[in-house]
Amino acid sequence: NAGVTQTPKFRVLKTGQSMTLLCAQDMNHEYMYWYRQDPGMGLRLIHYSVGEGTTAKGEVPDGYNVSRLKKQNFLLGLESAAPSQTSVYFCASSPTGEGAVAKNIQYFGAGTRLSVL
Amino acid sequence: GQNIDQPTEMTATEGAIVQINCTYQTSGFNGLFWYQQHAGEAPTFLSYNVLDGLEEKGRFSSFLSRSKGYSYLLLKELQMKDSASYLCAVRNRGSTLGRLYFGRGTQLTVWP
Repeated sequence: NAGVTQTPKFRVLKTGQSMTLLCAQDMNHEYMYWYRQDPGMGLRLIHYSVGEGTTAKGEVPDGYNVSRLKKQNFLLGLESAAPSQTSVYFCASSPTGEGAVAKNIQYFGAGTRLSVL
Repeated sequence: GQNIDQPTEMTATEGAIVQINCTYQTSGFNGLFWYQQHAGEAPTFLSYNVLDGLEEKGRFSSFLSRSKGYSYLLLKELQMKDSASYLCAVRNRGSTLGRLYFGRGTQLTVWP
């Protein structure tokens, strides 16, 4: 059971470098999310997507871009990394639909630990 | 916006009972979730409340009072493996279905 898979698991960047974090889910979920988690700050939503080809900004979108070209994949890009983007990044997905609450549970990937020097 | 408050840290002894509180202020409340996160791992779903009352699931129970903007997670018969961060999250009606607003988490340490 793969669930939500994030790559890479670890990465070190220099200031100004760019990179893309990949999230893939095999549960046929419509919704996908990117969070960052910093000590004492909890999970903060960066961007999210309600379906293939659509994205929206969350609480802390500056410095990040996303794309959802395929339903199962959600990419997070850093065009010019800054030390303030050192964090642990989590991807999550959830199904849609009213009714049974269980359909809206978010399932998380294992995270990507990013350091920007 | 959302204002979700929970204690930063708690400690308890193996075999004991601990209650982790969460208060929230939000418009159009549409559900409260509890997640567990072990150090270095992903958050995992524990429980959900949308109506007032207690939801029990094994050693874990979660309570909600919508009028008070209050929830708690009750952990019974604590085990060492329960040492983790517990995240309270709120969902709003009218926002993107499924979008959650998380508190900062409560780090629970269980001592032998």
